[in-house]
Amino acid sequence: DTAVSQTPKYLVTQMGNDKSIKCEQNLGHDTMYWYKQDSKKFLKIMFSYNNKELIINETVPNRFSPKSPDKAHLNLHINSLELGDSAVYFCASSLSPSRGEQYFGPGTRLTVT
Amino acid sequence: TQLLEQSPQFLSIQEGENLTVYCNSSSVFSSLQWYRQEPGEGPVLLVTVVTGGEVKKLKRLTFQFGDARKDSSLHITAAQPGDTGLYLCAGARRGGGTSYGKLTFGQGTILTVHP
Repeated sequence: DTAVSQTPKYLVTQMGNDKSIKCEQNLGHDTMYWYKQDSKKFLKIMFSYNNKELIINETVPNRFSPKSPDKAHLNLHINSLELGDSAVYFCASSLSPSRGEQYFGPGTRLTVT
Repeated sequence: TQLLEQSPQFLSIQEGENLTVYCNSSSVFSSLQWYRQEPGEGPVLLVTVVTGGEVKKLKRLTFQFGDARKDSSLHITAAQPGDTGLYLCAGARRGGGTSYGKLTFGQGTILTVHP
């Protein structure tokens, strides 16, 4: 059983397109996150939801829009993709926002051409 | 911005050697986590340390949290090729405000253990 799953694993698309990445966790956690990992492997938080409520919204272009239909799902929609959006995007979950133990999905490698 | 300075950034050693990775900050954390990430996969949680001065062991890995809860170290004894990967430290802070729910990650240490 995969604890945190993401789809797709790879996403290759052209500039200007709109794409979505889906994430699901079966751990019963209340909190979910989206991270971006750049080519230097630095992990940067983008968004976090707790019980479907947005609690972290970092300085991210508004072309990025997260949606949490329920506690177990957190999706990321990206409009008008740009070359600089190419990166690996990770979904993660934790029991609560104050718990540092986070469980990560396998990542989605987005390549914008 | 809270920063976690992780060093060294790269480490290339021979099988059987010992190594230490450091994670330092000027901020106090309520807990500190260490993660290991292999190519093509997400970070996997190794350990959480919570109490100042705490030491935890995981087989050949020893984790220590500084007395002031501002720094941490990861020591690997007799490294093996299977230890190769990216090691990340991350600090959590309790309370509300802009820190609520936010983990501060170090820049990572890429470890390569040669057979």
